[in-house]
Amino acid sequence: GQQVMQIPQYQHVQEGEDFTTYCNSSTTLSNIQWYKQRPGGHPVFLIQLVKSGEVKKQKRLTFQFGEAKKNSSLHITATQTTDVGTYFCAGPGRDDKIIFGKGTRLHILP
Amino acid sequence: NAGVTQTPKFQVLKTGQSMTLQCAQDMNHEYMSWYRQDPGMGLRLIHYSVGAGITDQGEVPNGYNVSRSTTEDFPLRLLSAAPSQTSVYFCASSYSIYGTHNYGYTFGSGTRLTVV
Repeated sequence: GQQVMQIPQYQHVQEGEDFTTYCNSSTTLSNIQWYKQRPGGHPVFLIQLVKSGEVKKQKRLTFQFGEAKKNSSLHITATQTTDVGTYFCAGPGRDDKIIFGKGTRLHILP
Repeated sequence: NAGVTQTPKFQVLKTGQSMTLQCAQDMNHEYMSWYRQDPGMGLRLIHYSVGAGITDQGEVPNGYNVSRSTTEDFPLRLLSAAPSQTSVYFCASSYSIYGTHNYGYTFGSGTRLTVV
């Protein structure tokens, strides 16, 4: 079945450093979505990428979709304490299931 | 709009009891899903529905039933609770999972279930 892998599982960074999480799918995705979950909260939709090679930015966050539409990345520039949380990628499979990666937990050191 | 409403927020069950987790959305979303979240396991799909009257199994469907009689409601039933079903359960809905629009899931606030 479809698998979505995310690395790293955990990341500790000093405040102000950059952060990147990577997402790899075993199958080609029609689109990929990114979510953020704050500790104790629920996932919140950040963005959807659809086109091969697409790059989108939201302030300090940069999202990329690979040329083969099987991988994606989220890069945060100059992390802040408000960036703490778990970042998930997710994509729809051939049978309409949306499968999530296990997430990358970001911890910011002051 | 209330978004996605889940009830209850917390629940403790004894092994063997049954219960229904409620989920309702007021955004006229066709696509709804139930996920469970366990430490280190991410979000695992239990059941999903692409529209009223249509449901299908996800990655971990055993021990759970769903129905979708209306567009708004998608309840999750635990048939005979087991300690392995201790988890946080999230209901989510979306207008579409395909297409070029910037659609994504709207999640409910979750139900924290403990089975003793």
